[in-house]
Amino acid sequence: DGGITQSPKYLFRKEGQNVTLSCEQNLNHDAMYWYRQDPGQGLRLIYYSQIVNDFQKGDIAEGYSVSREKKESFPLTVTSAQKNPTAFYLCASSRQGVGAKNIQYFGAGTRLSVL
Amino acid sequence: AQTVTQSQPEMSVQEAETVTLSCTYDTSESDYYLFWYKQPPSRQMILVIRQEAYKQQNATENRFSVNFQKAAKSFSLKISDSQLGDAAMYFCAYRSDNTGTASKLTFGTGTRLQVTL
Repeated sequence: DGGITQSPKYLFRKEGQNVTLSCEQNLNHDAMYWYRQDPGQGLRLIYYSQIVNDFQKGDIAEGYSVSREKKESFPLTVTSAQKNPTAFYLCASSRQGVGAKNIQYFGAGTRLSVL
Repeated sequence: AQTVTQSQPEMSVQEAETVTLSCTYDTSESDYYLFWYKQPPSRQMILVIRQEAYKQQNATENRFSVNFQKAAKSFSLKISDSQLGDAAMYFCAYRSDNTGTASKLTFGTGTRLQVTL
């Protein structure tokens, strides 16, 4: 089935540790995104990528890093510089260009907690 | 910068009744897209309905319809014949049509909808 797969579903981070959240899509979408969701708030954009080997910072990029070496993969690393990483992280993807309808499709998310 | 406001943190509706969720947004752009996403307890975001700002006709998808008032910058969601499965968080989202700002979505803070028997 086509879709977006995020793993793991739950992740725990120790103080000073970097952790990486996986996001894979088989929809052949060009663009991929990472959002953070905190209680009582909407989703906020961390990073996005429109093509392979290119990505841009979103609204809350500090303490995070990404890579886009393959079209289908867009991993997010939460670094030790992110002092409040506990949140729900959602990955999304979308087609680009004419006729794309500008719809973003989401994965099932990863819940990150600090030990 | 664009902002999206959902002023109803929680709403409740009886099964089979109709409910309207409110959303307002602020933008200086003329071309954009608006969306309603549903987030059930599984927390996966599911697209409910989409509206293009240049279209005057309100979008509809089965029991879901919108009231898009461009001048008022209002984009409300109406759910008819509510079902228990409609219980979820509903998020309103805005996307610019300016390719310079890519395809990022700006979300509101959400409305939690309860459906009662």
